[in-house]
Amino acid sequence: DQQVKQNSPSLSVQEGRISILNCDYTNSMFDYFLWYKKYPAEGPTFLISISSIKDKNEDGRFTVFLNKSAKHLSLHIVPSQPGDSAVYFCAASARFSGGYNKLIFGAGTRLAVHP
Amino acid sequence: EAQVTQNPRYLITVTGKKLTVTCSQNMNHEYMSWYRQDPGLGLRQIYYSMNVEVTDKGDVPEGYKVSRKEKRNFPLILESPSPNQTSLYFCASSGDRGKNTGELFFGEGSRLTVL
Repeated sequence: DQQVKQNSPSLSVQEGRISILNCDYTNSMFDYFLWYKKYPAEGPTFLISISSIKDKNEDGRFTVFLNKSAKHLSLHIVPSQPGDSAVYFCAASARFSGGYNKLIFGAGTRLAVHP
Repeated sequence: EAQVTQNPRYLITVTGKKLTVTCSQNMNHEYMSWYRQDPGLGLRQIYYSMNVEVTDKGDVPEGYKVSRKEKRNFPLILESPSPNQTSLYFCASSGDRGKNTGELFFGEGSRLTVL
């Protein structure tokens, strides 16, 4: 059973418009949520995160919103640029034994930003 | 430059022929982990290590082995590869910040095909 779900495999957006990527989770014990971006033939790179005690975190063109009651988070990219075309993974983090948080990933959403 | 280095990047092999994918990080991170990425399933954790000589199973450990004899290296061993291990593999590491957030630094990936 997937604990982190990204229900949209793909999204197409026009350059300059807003991109909204969605993610749902089931485990209320998650304490951090992260977004990773992945280009072809490269490893995922960290984009932005949010603590479970916050409802919004902003970094430049990227904003993540967290709705704990709905167990839902979203990544907003404004304005979208062609260089944003990539696969975006949502990940949730929970503390396991040993003192490190473990990341559990969604299936990813492929974003295409076209001119 | 801080990085996680994996080798080989691409490999085609045959069923039953033992292989090792190497992983090395230069950030003095204690925590290292292996993930596999499959379509529709996202990234799933295979094994992780919290320090030298300390390793443990992730979510999909069957058919894999790891070792952590040095802090910087964390090789992934497939003793007898099978076609269902055809996948894209990522090594990742995490430092102090990741203890709380789970944030990982990923290598560029190793695409493995087992015939």
